[in-house]
Amino acid sequence: RKEVEQDPGPFNVPEGATVAFNCTYSNSASQSFFWYRQDCRKEPKLLMSVYSSGNEDGRFTAQLNRASQYISLLIRDSKLSDSATYLCVVNDNQGGKLIFGQGTELSVKP
Amino acid sequence: DADVTQTPRNRITKTGKRIMLECSQTKGHDRMYWYRQDPGLGLRLIYYSFDVKDINKGEISDGYSVSRQAQAKFSLSLESAIPNQTALYFCATSDLRLENTDTQYFGPGTRLTVL
Repeated sequence: RKEVEQDPGPFNVPEGATVAFNCTYSNSASQSFFWYRQDCRKEPKLLMSVYSSGNEDGRFTAQLNRASQYISLLIRDSKLSDSATYLCVVNDNQGGKLIFGQGTELSVKP
Repeated sequence: DADVTQTPRNRITKTGKRIMLECSQTKGHDRMYWYRQDPGLGLRLIYYSFDVKDINKGEISDGYSVSRQAQAKFSLSLESAIPNQTALYFCATSDLRLENTDTQYFGPGTRLTVL
C-alpha cells in the first residue's frame, strides 16, 4: 500500500463546477498535512495546510479525518486558472520528511 | 529574486558522465532536500540534510551523492549517469523552528536528460 494515495484523475470539469479530491494516508502518527499545487513542468507550491478542524481559503476547503486517515480538498466555482496537478502531502512524523501523493490532475474547461 | 534557485535548469548528458546539480537558498532554512519526479510516480526523496554536518539517504539514493557545502548550498551529484536517471529534479528547503511548520519550499527544478 502506498503511504499517500490520491484519486488518479484526470478530472475534467467545466468552469464554475465544484470538484473534490480525496487522499488517504497510511501513517497514523502523521501530524502535518498539506495540499500543494503543481503547474505543468513547474515546482510544487503550497496551496494550503490542512488542520484538524478543517479550513477554508476562498474557494478552497480542506478537511481532515484522522480516524479514517483521510484528507479532502474541495474547489468551488472552478476557474480556468485552477487547472493543475494537486498533490496531497503528509509528514512522516519521524524524521521531518514529507511524503507526497502521486497527484491528481485537474483540467477546467471553458 | 527567487528564494530557492537551481542550476542548471536544463541539462542533456551522455551515459557514464558525472553530473552535478546545484541548489542555493536565501531563506535561511536549515533543512534541504533533493527529489526526483517521474511521470506517474510523484516526488521521490533522494537525499536530505538537516544542517551542514547532517546528510541522510532518502528512498532512492543509489547512484546519487550529495554535498552540503554551507547552510545555503546543497548539491546533488550523479557519479555515472544512466538513462533511467532522466527526470525532473527538485531541491526544497524547510525550517520547523523558523517557520513553525514543516512546509517545504521548492526550487524551479532541473530537467535532466541522460542519453
